[in-house]
Amino acid sequence: DIQMTQSPSSLSASVGDRVTITCRASQNIWSYLNWYQQKPGKAPKLLIYAASNLLSGVPSRFSGSGYGTEFTLTISSLQPEDFATYYCQQISFGPGTKVDIK
Amino acid sequence: EVQLVESGGGLLQPGGSLRLSCVTSGFTFSDHYMDWVRQAPGQGLEWVGRIANRFNSYTTEYAASVKGRFTISRDDSRNSLFLQMKSLKTEDTAVYYCCRVVRWSGELPNRYHFGIDVWGLGTTVAVSS
Repeated sequence: DIQMTQSPSSLSASVGDRVTITCRASQNIWSYLNWYQQKPGKAPKLLIYAASNLLSGVPSRFSGSGYGTEFTLTISSLQPEDFATYYCQQISFGPGTKVDIK
Repeated sequence: EVQLVESGGGLLQPGGSLRLSCVTSGFTFSDHYMDWVRQAPGQGLEWVGRIANRFNSYTTEYAASVKGRFTISRDDSRNSLFLQMKSLKTEDTAVYYCCRVVRWSGELPNRYHFGIDVWGLGTTVAVSS
């Protein structure tokens, strides 16, 4: 099975900050990588598929990049509604990155 | 409106069996791959398994942690998805989500990009002695 790791496991940031989360796969997964956002008590929401494709309705401050084994999710200017946990997924999920308020 | 409603969760002892159901509505169930995903209390998401649609022979895949113990099936005539769980362990304790899968063409031949676009509310399975 392909293992997914994420870093950092958590971060504190302020509104307006640029935030970057890294996801690594244990082997080459080409561009087969999704990103989800989960808020407490809610179901996850798919943000990005195929490493860099934004789902319709997802704000443009979110972007994804990477290929092969290393990927990043970037939030260009953090908004109050972005405080959440973010997961990458090939088929298995990464352990998540919690983004909270500094 | 697309809806996924799980049922069948409960409290049981290690070694027991349980069958979860998911009734869907608001979309053409038979066209979609479907996943089960679980989340233990205070923990992250864990993909459990997937079943393909009829065009792909209802092929199933499972996480290593449940392979051989869990079985996913579906009944397209009833728009329903199932998860049969046996030999349950305490580490299977989690909220289990029924999920609709969407797919896009991938860069590799016959390899699609899959993602989960709709989640049910979940049903809780607790395994404890």
